[in-house]
Amino acid sequence: DADVTQTPRNRITKTGKRIMLECSQTKGHDRMYWYRQDPGLGLQLIYYSFDVKDINKGEISDGYSVSRQAQAKFSLSLESAIPNQTALYFCATSDSGWTGELFFGEGSRLTVL
Amino acid sequence: SQQGEEDPQALSIQEGENATMNCSYKTSINNLQWYRQNSGRGLVHLILIRSNEREKHSGRLRVTLDTSKKSSSLLITASRAADTASYFCATGRQGAQKLVFGQGTRLTINP
Repeated sequence: DADVTQTPRNRITKTGKRIMLECSQTKGHDRMYWYRQDPGLGLQLIYYSFDVKDINKGEISDGYSVSRQAQAKFSLSLESAIPNQTALYFCATSDSGWTGELFFGEGSRLTVL
Repeated sequence: SQQGEEDPQALSIQEGENATMNCSYKTSINNLQWYRQNSGRGLVHLILIRSNEREKHSGRLRVTLDTSKKSSSLLITASRAADTASYFCATGRQGAQKLVFGQGTRLTINP
């Protein structure tokens, strides 16, 4: 089984719908992240959490919210999806903040029509 | 603005040749990392080089870091078809609260 698991892997939805992307990890890391990747671009940080009680906005948090349900679970929500949120979303974990390696899930491809 | 900028954006070579990708960044860093992404998949960490290091090796990978020029290079020797992927550099700075990724180099290895 993968160390970082994202569900769903693919989702097509309509404008205005609420969407939740879920991430769970078995690595025992405290730090979890949500990134967004658009075609031909690098990754942009949406939200990050350094422990269950710590939630921080990243570069592009508008239109998104997160919940850290447990050390192992970090979910990303789009309250009212819009077409320009069509992208590939990645969850990642680390045990050493910004100076160490990130471990990524396989991604959740979201299409908003 | 992006901290890391990869060059070239795309690279196509024959199997067996060496592939070199470059990354430039703008501010001081604690470390620079390289990741690989196969099409539509998650990123996989390849190597991390710290600001006080100049060169690191891992198998067929060689990474150099020149902090005076704010640049890094990733060399893949004896390329294989399985090396076809996008390669991203990412820079980490203490206190910056984020790891910043470049736009990536898309590498194609032709058989």
